[in-house]
Amino acid sequence: EVQVVESGGGLVQPGRSLRLSCAASGFTFDDYAMHWVRQAPGKGLEWVSGISWNSGSIGYADSVKGRFTISRDNAKNSLYLQMNSLRAEDTALYYCAKGRGGALYDSKDYWGQGTLVTVSS
Amino acid sequence: EIVLTQSPGTLSLSPGERATLSCRASQSVSSSYLTWYQQKPGQAPRLLIYAASRRATGIPDRFSGSGSGTDFTLTISRVEPEDFAVYYCQQYGSSPLTFGGGTKVEIK
Repeated sequence: EVQVVESGGGLVQPGRSLRLSCAASGFTFDDYAMHWVRQAPGKGLEWVSGISWNSGSIGYADSVKGRFTISRDNAKNSLYLQMNSLRAEDTALYYCAKGRGGALYDSKDYWGQGTLVTVSS
Repeated sequence: EIVLTQSPGTLSLSPGERATLSCRASQSVSSSYLTWYQQKPGQAPRLLIYAASRRATGIPDRFSGSGSGTDFTLTISRVEPEDFAVYYCQQYGSSPLTFGGGTKVEIK
């Protein structure tokens, strides 16, 4: 069974950093792209970042470019999101999602339940 | 950045009726790289359609997608009680990948 499980969310002050993790199982992790998608309370979905199977192709939303860094460790079946200089508008439920294929440009066929990030003083 | 505009914002239907959801892009979506997701309250999104018209694994055939270029449509031929949810389109033809604002399908 395919599973992706996010962790690392919490309450953080503006300007501080947080690192999210996503543990994957039930599929050959290093064959697939992975993504982070967020959803602010009561709002729609926003793609945050994605990384291809071999980390050769990486993309970011304009709203997080220069502040967030995506990475993956294929040996550990894990995806990460390093979030720096956090702002109140980064408050959201952050989903980890598996790509349908290995390329960055593909849809997402399995999603975790999300980890909540709250940025507030 | 490609902006996706979904309409209507809310669709009120009775079970058994046909649902037609629209997703319009600000510029042409490369290779029809357009996908549709369903999200129910408190749940993660679920992949319905990819490449504009291909049903994902396990998706009932009452769901169909069509379109190309800048105009895409998700159709639910006969809405079932479990189909009441929010539907999002997303383009993945160019970075940044972008979502539409969503269409809520509610019970009339």
